[in-house]
Amino acid sequence: EDQVTQSPEALRLQEGESSSLNCSYTVSGLRGLFWYRQDPGKGPEFLFTLYSAGEEKEKERLKATLTKKESFLHITAPKPEDSATYLCAVYDYKLSFGAGTTVTVRA
Amino acid sequence: SQTIHQWPATLVQPVGSPLSLECTVEGTSNPNLYWYRQAAGRGLQLLFYSVGIGQISSEVPQNLSASRPQDRQFILSSKKLLLSDSGFYLCASTGGAGDTEAFFGQGTRLTVV
Repeated sequence: EDQVTQSPEALRLQEGESSSLNCSYTVSGLRGLFWYRQDPGKGPEFLFTLYSAGEEKEKERLKATLTKKESFLHITAPKPEDSATYLCAVYDYKLSFGAGTTVTVRA
Repeated sequence: SQTIHQWPATLVQPVGSPLSLECTVEGTSNPNLYWYRQAAGRGLQLLFYSVGIGQISSEVPQNLSASRPQDRQFILSSKKLLLSDSGFYLCASTGGAGDTEAFFGQGTRLTVV
């Protein structure tokens, strides 16, 4: 059975304080690993798809990396507008999500 | 890219009433479709997924059901709602025409009273 575990559950950062979120997974045949951002009361907003170990993708202050067992989402010099819940999901024959990491960035 | 239409955005229903939430997909064919529920402050719980018309897999035992009458239409139903059915329901789509990205609707906030 697919398992996706995200840590930490919550992360409080000062503006400009870089940090990383972790997503560890167990899946039989990974077709893709997704990162999403979700604001309260809204649907998830797509950030990245990673397909194979060693792959990296960047978007503004966010950078996602992938190994065979985990993925990291690095937030560099975050701003208050980066506050959100970040969700990781793995896709083999279905799409399974972790519980998310809620990031709060204080000015 | 794909567009997921999901409605209604909010719904308040009494206990014991029926439910029908509809999701339609544009911009792709033969997608995999999903229904998720998200409780307040929690992650996305996969309820049902479908790889084709009439093919439904259930992940969690419950009083909800799903149907896929057309390639790009996915319906979540209940004959009698429970208080515990309250939550944020999301429809998602993956695959189809070689596309491995995942797209979401904007969700339905269901409150059972």
